[in-house]
Amino acid sequence: DAGITQSPRHKVTETGTPVTLRCHQTENHRYMYWYRQDPGHGLRLIHYSYGVKDTDKGEVSDGYSVSRSKTEDFLLTLESATSSQTSVYFCAISDITSGSGGSYEQYFGPGTRLTVT
Amino acid sequence: AQSVTQLDSQVPVFEEAPVELRCNYSSSVSVYLFWYVQYPNQGLQLLLKYLSGSTLVESINGFEAEFNKSQTSFHLRKPSVHISDTAEYFCAVSYIQGAQKLVFGQGTRLTINP
Repeated sequence: DAGITQSPRHKVTETGTPVTLRCHQTENHRYMYWYRQDPGHGLRLIHYSYGVKDTDKGEVSDGYSVSRSKTEDFLLTLESATSSQTSVYFCAISDITSGSGGSYEQYFGPGTRLTVT
Repeated sequence: AQSVTQLDSQVPVFEEAPVELRCNYSSSVSVYLFWYVQYPNQGLQLLLKYLSGSTLVESINGFEAEFNKSQTSFHLRKPSVHISDTAEYFCAVSYIQGAQKLVFGQGTRLTINP
């Protein structure tokens, strides 16, 4: 298994509070991603990073910000959590490797279940 | 823009029966195609992938998928399922140029009944 950890694994928070989720990798991959998973929607990309301090928006970035100050860490922040942000959040990493055939296979962390009350 | 459609949100089958999970994508350019599996309360794991070459690709646990360019499909099949195959399955696509981003389908929940 790829070395990806997410913290916390579960969190309950109140509407309006800030929340930060952390993704940590030990694979030295260039790309890191944050997704949210909701029933009927599959996985939707929130933000991604292509290097230290280099990030870009995904399809559902409103209400979220990210930071990457080190290769191994990618933080997702909800500045003021809302009930619509209740979801399961997954971090993923990718890079071209000797076995990937030129593709950027993504490897996923175990997820963080966030509930906003 | 790319999009991926998984035609069935849920597929119930009996143990040892065959199964097909359908995936269609829209893209006018060459793509990479993936199937991921998510077991209950876990993250996603890569099941198999099509990059180029043979249009039939196989996984180590008996699943196979066939790339059909004319029908823009990448259906997943298994001739005989087991209880342990109960999971949610996601089809995903990326452009060969700019392959760093994946677009996922909505997922198909496969339920195996004894």
